[in-house]
Amino acid sequence: ETGVTQSPTHLIKTRGQQVTLRCSSQSGHNTVSWYQQALGQGPQFIFQYYREEENGRGNFPPRFSGLQFPNYSSELNVNALELDDSALYLCASSLGPMDYTFGSGTRLTVV
Amino acid sequence: QKEVEQDPGPLSVPEGAIVSLNCTYSNSAFQYFMWYRQYSRKGPELLMYTYSSGNKEDGRFTAQVDKSSKYISLFIRDSQPSDSATYLCAMSVWSYGGSQGNLIFGKGTKLSVKP
Repeated sequence: ETGVTQSPTHLIKTRGQQVTLRCSSQSGHNTVSWYQQALGQGPQFIFQYYREEENGRGNFPPRFSGLQFPNYSSELNVNALELDDSALYLCASSLGPMDYTFGSGTRLTVV
Repeated sequence: QKEVEQDPGPLSVPEGAIVSLNCTYSNSAFQYFMWYRQYSRKGPELLMYTYSSGNKEDGRFTAQVDKSSKYISLFIRDSQPSDSATYLCAMSVWSYGGSQGNLIFGKGTKLSVKP
């Protein structure tokens, strides 16, 4: 049984660019959630996907968007990058309320 | 007032000490309470979870939830240098068919256990 895999592990983008982050969920998990973790802060909920549909969203602007695929993998897209978007982006897959499994994250730096 | 409050520390203790980590919260609808451990440059790893009030013990770790006071705790006995990490509390409301309980995290407490 594999865990949650995220790619890439690091990337650097310029302000105004667009970025796509990818996540492969743990086997059997049908729900994927994305979190943003700024330095020294706890993770903040961006949105959640269940069976390919958005199933809840946190306080993030529409330039943060996502997709979930039939194999439950997911993408997070961020348009018009801002300096404040620099953070660790975490993907978590789950099947119920207690079994969130997090990936190691993608560290995004916007310059 | 933030939904979940957690003292960020840092907290430094000698090896073998008992560590007490705490969070308070304001949303009385929270049902699930979790503690995650996060090592530097890694994702959070689930340590313990509790549904509603009560205590739960797992080896050197004990989690307590007091819903009447909106207060949760994690105790680590016989702390080891390998316990040095950031500890995050998290809580959620979860219902079948609805938004599947997104986690609300505290800021995290950075713990250092000195040999």
